[in-house]
Amino acid sequence: DVKVTQSSRYLVKRTGEKVFLECVQDMDHENMFWYRQDPGLGLRLIYFSYDVKMKEKGDIPEGYSVSREKKERFSLILESASTNQTSMYLCASSSHAGVSYEQYFGPGTRLTVT
Amino acid sequence: AQRVTQPEKLLSVFKGAPVELKCNYSYSGSPELFWYVQYSRQRLQLLLRHISRESIKGFTADLNKGETSFHLKKPFAQEEDSAMYYCALKRGANNLFFGTGTRLTVIP
Repeated sequence: DVKVTQSSRYLVKRTGEKVFLECVQDMDHENMFWYRQDPGLGLRLIYFSYDVKMKEKGDIPEGYSVSREKKERFSLILESASTNQTSMYLCASSSHAGVSYEQYFGPGTRLTVT
Repeated sequence: AQRVTQPEKLLSVFKGAPVELKCNYSYSGSPELFWYVQYSRQRLQLLLRHISRESIKGFTADLNKGETSFHLKKPFAQEEDSAMYYCALKRGANNLFFGTGTRLTVIP
């Protein structure tokens, strides 16, 4: 059973703080993703990674950066948190594409920036 | 441009009634489409993929290339079907583009 875990379920930070969200998967998946989930806007891709030390911008990368030093771990970094980054953050992983392509999601981190 | 449109943010049906969640897409190539579901307090998970032509929990979805649609259907809604549903389009080799989601409520 694929397990994707996220370091925190709830996080409250102040404006201007540096924030780290951690994601770990245990299925040796090559691909990892960070999304934010907002009502009415659905899931929007922030960054993704196809391999260790590789990263690609998604649809809304502004204000975020990522790090993938190990295959199983993908970190999302908010360099200077702002109130408009208050959201639910979802991490996902997948193997490379095939007929059974599927992304597996973590439980999410609800971040509040005050 | 790749796009997925779910026109309904909210959908309410009575238990036992048919349900259809709409999804339209825009894609220049041969599309691969998925439905993901998120039940209350659970993580987002795959419900079904069009390429498998499967029925999961009584739900089916047929890809209609002429209408560029991939609507999710179930003939008799159950209370446990209440959830958030997302339509997703595969883009590139390993990426998904998600719609804005439809929250389905099944009224007892």
